Amino acid sequence: SAVISQKPSRDICQRGTSLTIQCQVDSQVTMMFWYRQQPGQSLTLIATANQGSEATYESGFVIDKFPISRPNLTFSTLTVSNMSPEDSSIYLCSVVLTSGMNEQFFGPGTRLTVL
Amino acid sequence: AQKVTQAQTEISVVEKEDVTLDCVYETRDTTYYLFWYKQPPSGELVFLIRRNSFDEQNEISGRYSWNFQKSTSSFNFTITASQVVDSAVYFCALRNTGFQKLVFGTGTRLLVSP
Repeated sequence: SAVISQKPSRDICQRGTSLTIQCQVDSQVTMMFWYRQQPGQSLTLIATANQGSEATYESGFVIDKFPISRPNLTFSTLTVSNMSPEDSSIYLCSVVLTSGMNEQFFGPGTRLTVL
Repeated sequence: AQKVTQAQTEISVVEKEDVTLDCVYETRDTTYYLFWYKQPPSGELVFLIRRNSFDEQNEISGRYSWNFQKSTSSFNFTITASQVVDSAVYFCALRNTGFQKLVFGTGTRLLVSP
């Protein structure tokens, strides 16, 4: 497996502000993803973070609202912009390791509350 | 399109009972991967198992076992002699080999009481 860290682990933010979440992995990865889990719901893919290029967004998610960077193989950031209470969720980073058997692992998540 | 159905929203059992969590999937791909994850109250998502579509052997890991049946598009998860620590939400997920996108079911909440 791998050690995946996310910062911050949780935050409470005001409406209209932005928050950047960091994801760091201690192993080489082939793929990195960002997921959202709204309260009591399942996980939904926001985007695939591509190294050195623009992320690939899923339907319903746009770059202006959720800008993503991935400057190298093991680090990515997700920004939640112009937040509203509907953005209150757990945001999870997920990776597929270069080594290994196509397992997909998740970070501990960032629990965001927007007031 | 890919889809994962976990029809059981919540299951309650008493400690030491066996419990099976159902997972039914839909995909047009011939090669794909199936996963189970555990999400305890603390919130992190714990990887339990990955199964390739071409490997229909059942798997056992301690008290956990998985039954993969391509004929019925099911990948069920059984916990034998359940324990309170098994209380969590369990997610089944499907991923194809092309886009690497993981599609989740809605999850089954398991409550194990002493």
